[in-house]
Amino acid sequence: ILNVEQSPQSLHVQEGDSTNFTCSFPSSNFYALHWYRWETAKSPEALFVMTLNGDEKKKGRISATLNTKEGYSYLYIKGSQPEDSATYLCAFKTGTASKLTFGTGTRLQVTL
Amino acid sequence: ETGVTQTPRHLVMGMTNKKSLKCEQHLGHNAMYWYKQSAKKPLELMFVYSLEERVENNSVPSRFSPECPNSSHLFLHLHTLQPEDSALYLCASSPSGGSSYEQYFGPGTRLTVT
Repeated sequence: ILNVEQSPQSLHVQEGDSTNFTCSFPSSNFYALHWYRWETAKSPEALFVMTLNGDEKKKGRISATLNTKEGYSYLYIKGSQPEDSATYLCAFKTGTASKLTFGTGTRLQVTL
Repeated sequence: ETGVTQTPRHLVMGMTNKKSLKCEQHLGHNAMYWYKQSAKKPLELMFVYSLEERVENNSVPSRFSPECPNSSHLFLHLHTLQPEDSALYLCASSPSGGSSYEQYFGPGTRLTVT
């Protein structure tokens, strides 16, 4: 059984704060790591797909890094805004598995 | 709008009913997925179709029966469900079945089994 752990489970920050959270996964036989943002009552939306150790990806104020040797990825949000409030999911796939395994997510709330 | 639509958005059904969930994607993708999310649990893959052929059946009970008549449509037929099947059912699509591609999700169907 593959376990994907996300921490923290929830996070409450003020507008303008920068924040980051972690996705941990088994380091052996890595294939791909996905990040999704899921706002309440909406569809999960893809942020990044990362496949190479040392990958860094950026979309606006959100960026992510990947360390496949130690089995973790960080998601960073710079200058959080209320519209960043959502659950952030990561999902992991090994080279031998045929499916993504999702974590339970980090729920972020940004207040004014 | 992600280009993936699901109907109905909410469904309440008794344990003896038969109902179907529908998913449609307008993205020209070749792979489609059904996921289940129960309260406080991760998204759990149920089925994967690639080029209209089922390539993954993740030990799902036979009371859930998928159907993929073409690459744009995916159904989940439900019969004699149990209360523990109450959950959010999400459909997704991707250009192909490989996990190097991001998945595009629909808004989900909230299912309640009474």
